[in-house]
Amino acid sequence: GAGVSQSPRYKVAKRGQDVALRCDPISGHVSLFWYQQALGQGPEFLTYFQNEAQLDKSGLPSDRFFAERPEGSVSTLKIQRTQQEDSAVYLCASSFLIAGGIYEQYFGPGTRLTVT
Amino acid sequence: AQTVTQSQPEMSVQEAETVTLSCTYDTSESDYYLFWYKQPPSRQMILVIRQEAYKQQNATENRFSVNFQKAAKSFSLKISDSQLGDAAMYFCAYLAGANSKLTFGKGITLSVRP
Repeated sequence: GAGVSQSPRYKVAKRGQDVALRCDPISGHVSLFWYQQALGQGPEFLTYFQNEAQLDKSGLPSDRFFAERPEGSVSTLKIQRTQQEDSAVYLCASSFLIAGGIYEQYFGPGTRLTVT
Repeated sequence: AQTVTQSQPEMSVQEAETVTLSCTYDTSESDYYLFWYKQPPSRQMILVIRQEAYKQQNATENRFSVNFQKAAKSFSLKISDSQLGDAAMYFCAYLAGANSKLTFGKGITLSVRP
């Protein structure tokens, strides 16, 4: 595809509801990252996939957060029983190997989650 | 743990002038990468410039250049001939391995005065 896409772009949830955020990476990118960006702050790492394997989930703030990438392409970040502190922009990035041996990350537009 | 510090929350520059955005970082690694990302109000994060720690030469991309001081763990971004479209949040970011998570600073809001 042309770039990383995320849906929905905006989500309003009542406290206690479950939400699912979708990320479509660039075709062929094996690595996929999720970040959480609070208002006025820099993004913070949540979790990382290589193909379908979740290699690092150390940034997930609680067991209410769950991410999957079952076929190594589309990924879903699920938040159960949302709380007000979950309000943030959730960014997805996919990466591929470029010259110099480094993987360059390309970001999607993000999903702005507001919990009321 | 690696940390990235951007101590200036906001900066302003006159159109066509030059501005420098500061960033410091802390790491015990010897091999790493540093980035500056731009995030306009539309939220799409865009890579501005990249620096490999093993390279002594400062990276340059058109009007954007960096001053990388490895011993001081400093990584500043210079924007020359500032344009209105440069107005955005700028984030300094660190990458420990070739394919790992990015650690971001808090960002700086740059405004450009016409």
